[in-house]
Amino acid sequence: AAGVIQSPRHLIKEKRETATLKCYPIPRHDTVYWYQQGPGQDPQFLISFYEKMQSDKGSIPDRFSAQQFSDYHSELNMSSLELGDSALYFCASSLQGEVGYTFGSGTRLTVV
Amino acid sequence: AQSVAQPEDQVNVAEGNPLTVKCTYSVSGNPYLFWYVQYPNRGLQFLLKYITGDNLVKGSYGFEAEFNKSQTSFHLKKPSALVSDSALYFCAVRDQADFNKFYFGSGTKLNVKP
Repeated sequence: AAGVIQSPRHLIKEKRETATLKCYPIPRHDTVYWYQQGPGQDPQFLISFYEKMQSDKGSIPDRFSAQQFSDYHSELNMSSLELGDSALYFCASSLQGEVGYTFGSGTRLTVV
Repeated sequence: AQSVAQPEDQVNVAEGNPLTVKCTYSVSGNPYLFWYVQYPNRGLQFLLKYITGDNLVKGSYGFEAEFNKSQTSFHLKKPSALVSDSALYFCAVRDQADFNKFYFGSGTKLNVKP
């Protein structure tokens, strides 16, 4: 069965650079969630989208932005990267009204 | 392989009655266990976690969970359900042997009826 696809799996960037993470939800899923998990930390909710509109916002820094496109994939754009942005970023997708919340395997971002 | 199972897609309970949401896990090492709640169109909210110590863990909003190592379970409980508890609940596990991995169950929808 198709799963949530995230790309790239690993990314290494230098401070002050930009990064773009992509998330492709399960087909038919209309909601995407982004989480950040720092080393030894619990996942922190960043932002979510439903039907291409932002539906909830968590602890997402102003340097980050995200959007959901017409094909429901989502991108997380991160600018002016800091060492503290090094983390595992994973997204999840779901279909409104149905139980079932599938997570991707994540993108590991390392800022050096 | 590490995994988390929530065997019930949906749990229905009347307001004022006790509720239980089930979770079992499989990890290679010692587990860190978590419960999260999600309201419609919202991100996950942390409820409680078990790291070590007392098997009964108390968390937010009157919820508690009991770690049972022999049964590899971490069921979420509340003595008296509220209508406002209706939401989606996720169990998650982190394996001490592979600390950067965080595994979630598929979620259980809790319906509390007045």
